Amino acid sequence: DIQMTQSPSSLSASVGDRVTITCRASQSISSFLNWYQQKPGRAPTLLIYTASTLFDGVPSRFSGSGSGTDFTLTISSLQPEDFATYYCQQSYITPITFGPGTTVDVK
Amino acid sequence: EVQLVESGGGLVKPGGSLRLSCVVSGFTFSNYSMNWVRQAPGKGLEWVSSISRSSIYIFYADSVQGRFTVSRDNAKNSLYLQMNSLRAEDTAVYFCAGGSEYWGQGALVTVSS
Repeated sequence: DIQMTQSPSSLSASVGDRVTITCRASQSISSFLNWYQQKPGRAPTLLIYTASTLFDGVPSRFSGSGSGTDFTLTISSLQPEDFATYYCQQSYITPITFGPGTTVDVK
Repeated sequence: EVQLVESGGGLVKPGGSLRLSCVVSGFTFSNYSMNWVRQAPGKGLEWVSSISRSSIYIFYADSVQGRFTVSRDNAKNSLYLQMNSLRAEDTAVYFCAGGSEYWGQGALVTVSS
């Protein structure tokens, strides 16, 4: 199985900050990497697919990069509605696996 | 408007069974592979099962293989998850998802005596 790791596991930030979250796969997954945002009590929502493509309606302050084993999610200027948990997911091969999540909270 | 509505969750004793349903509207169900993903209380996301558009390809996580069965009815825009031999560790919110894009709000399954 492909193991997904994320760093950091949590971070504290302020509105307007630039935030970067890293995701690493235990083997190459090409660009089969998705990023999700989840708020408490809610379903995950897709932010980015195939590593760098913004899903419909997602603000342009979100961006993704990477391929192979190393990937990054960047929020260029954190907004109040962005405090949430972020998960990466590989869809390269089953079993589909998620990273453990990164929680972004208020500094 | 895209909607995925799960139903069938509830409290069940260890060893018992439940059947989850997910009814879809707002996108062409038959064009999407469908997935079940679960989230135990306070934990991260865990993929459970996937089924291809025409049900030819079906995959399960090792943790549910042999106990859970996924199916779909494209005529009814519906996805199902039959869960047998339930264990305490199956306690979670179960989400249905259309591809990666569309997610339901989840159905809570609690396995407890």
